[in-house]
Amino acid sequence: DTAVSQTPKYLVTQMGNDKSIKCEQNLGHDTMYWYKQDSKKFLKIMFSYNNKELIINETVPNRFSPKSPDKAHLNLHINSLELGDSAVYFCASSHQGPGDGYTFGSGTRLTVV
Amino acid sequence: DQQVKQNSPSLSVQEGRISILNCDYTNSMFDYFLWYKKYPAEGPTFLISISSIKDKNEDGRFTVFLNKSAKHLSLHIVPSQPGDSAVYFCAASKQTGANNLFFGTGTRLTVIP
Repeated sequence: DTAVSQTPKYLVTQMGNDKSIKCEQNLGHDTMYWYKQDSKKFLKIMFSYNNKELIINETVPNRFSPKSPDKAHLNLHINSLELGDSAVYFCASSHQGPGDGYTFGSGTRLTVV
Repeated sequence: DQQVKQNSPSLSVQEGRISILNCDYTNSMFDYFLWYKKYPAEGPTFLISISSIKDKNEDGRFTVFLNKSAKHLSLHIVPSQPGDSAVYFCAASKQTGANNLFFGTGTRLTVIP
């Protein structure tokens, strides 16, 4: 059983489109995250979310929005896609705090053309 | 502003020898450090961690050393095996407050048979 699953694995879309990436975890973790790995391979936090609090990295454009229908899901919606949004997006989950380490999904490679 | 730095983008080591991966951080508030391993087309997987109250943590072939005064940590793998070939990410966090991990840009380790 996959612990953290993301879909789709690859996504190619045109500029200006709106797209979503789904993430589900079956670990019973309290907190979920979205990370972006850019062309320089830098993994950067975008959002962290538990059922109480959404923490947004202030550098993330408001075209990006997380949606959590329940504790096991945290989807990423992106509006008006731009070329610079091309990257690999990783979903992750953890118990409260990083002490147990994160469990990552396998990533979604987004290419905006 | 990158708070966790891995200055060596790549490292090649002969099988059986020791691999030493280095990581530096700038934020003195970090008190928990982790190493993640990433294979192509997969998400990072947790490898080993260390709290700031320790200077060494060992798990099998993997040992992490922390030098708080130098704001430096290293991961030692001995003996190195071809299956260890992957990208290794250093990460840091604060135990209290936001539970986000700050990642370095990774070091690609190649173990030569």
